[in-house]
Amino acid sequence: AQSVTQPDIHITVSEGASLELRCNYSYGATPYLFWYVQSPGQGLQLLLKYFSGDTLVQGIKGFEAEFKRSQSSFNLRKPSVHWSDAAEYFCAQGDMRFGAGTRLTVKP
Amino acid sequence: GAVVSQHPSWVICKSGTSVKIECRSLDFQATTMFWYRQFPKQSLMLMATSNEGSKATYEQGVEKDKFLINHASLTLSTLTVTSAHPEDSSFYICSAGTGPGPYNEQFFGPGTRLTVL
Repeated sequence: AQSVTQPDIHITVSEGASLELRCNYSYGATPYLFWYVQSPGQGLQLLLKYFSGDTLVQGIKGFEAEFKRSQSSFNLRKPSVHWSDAAEYFCAQGDMRFGAGTRLTVKP
Repeated sequence: GAVVSQHPSWVICKSGTSVKIECRSLDFQATTMFWYRQFPKQSLMLMATSNEGSKATYEQGVEKDKFLINHASLTLSTLTVTSAHPEDSSFYICSAGTGPGPYNEQFFGPGTRLTVL
C-alpha cells in the first residue's frame, strides 16, 4: 500500500535558523504529495503540493519542498524559521493518507 | 482560501448516546468530503470518503454502523457517532473539496473534540 513516512516526531530549531522536515514515500509511480501545517485551534492548511514537473515546489509562508525520486523523498524546507512556524507538520499523499507528523518547536 | 466549518467544536456526552458532528463548506460546493480521526499527538486517520448524494466509502476497520456519514447536500456532511463509548473519544476532522483525488484541493475544518464519559 502507498504510504508516507515522517521519521522525525519532534524537531526543535532556533528562530532564524533553517529548517528541513523529512518525508519519505513508498509508491512506484510518481506520487501526488502534499505538506500541511496544523496549528492549535485551526484546520490543516496546505503549504504546497507536488504533482509533476519542476521538482522544487514553492509554497506559502516561505516554505519549499523538493521531490527526489532517487531518494523517495519530499522534504520540506524553510531558510529562516519564525516563531509563528511552531506547529505540527504533516506530509500526505494523493489518496489523503497522512504521515505521522512532525512537531516543530521554535526556540527564541 | 475556501472555508470549512465544523460544529460543534467540542462535545461531551455520556456513554451510550449518539453525537452528530456537522461539516459545512461555507463558500463553495463540496462534492467530496473526507472524515478523519486524530488521536492525541498522532496523525490523521482517514475514516471515510463521502460524495454528495451517494453512500460513503469507509476505510478498512471503520465500523459503518458506528460512524454514520451523510452527505445530503453540496455544503453539508454529517458524522454521527452512534452509541458512543469512551474509546470513541477523539478529535474528528473533516475536509471538503470540489472533487475527489489529488487534483482537487481539500480544505480542512478546525475539528471537533469528542469526549465520551
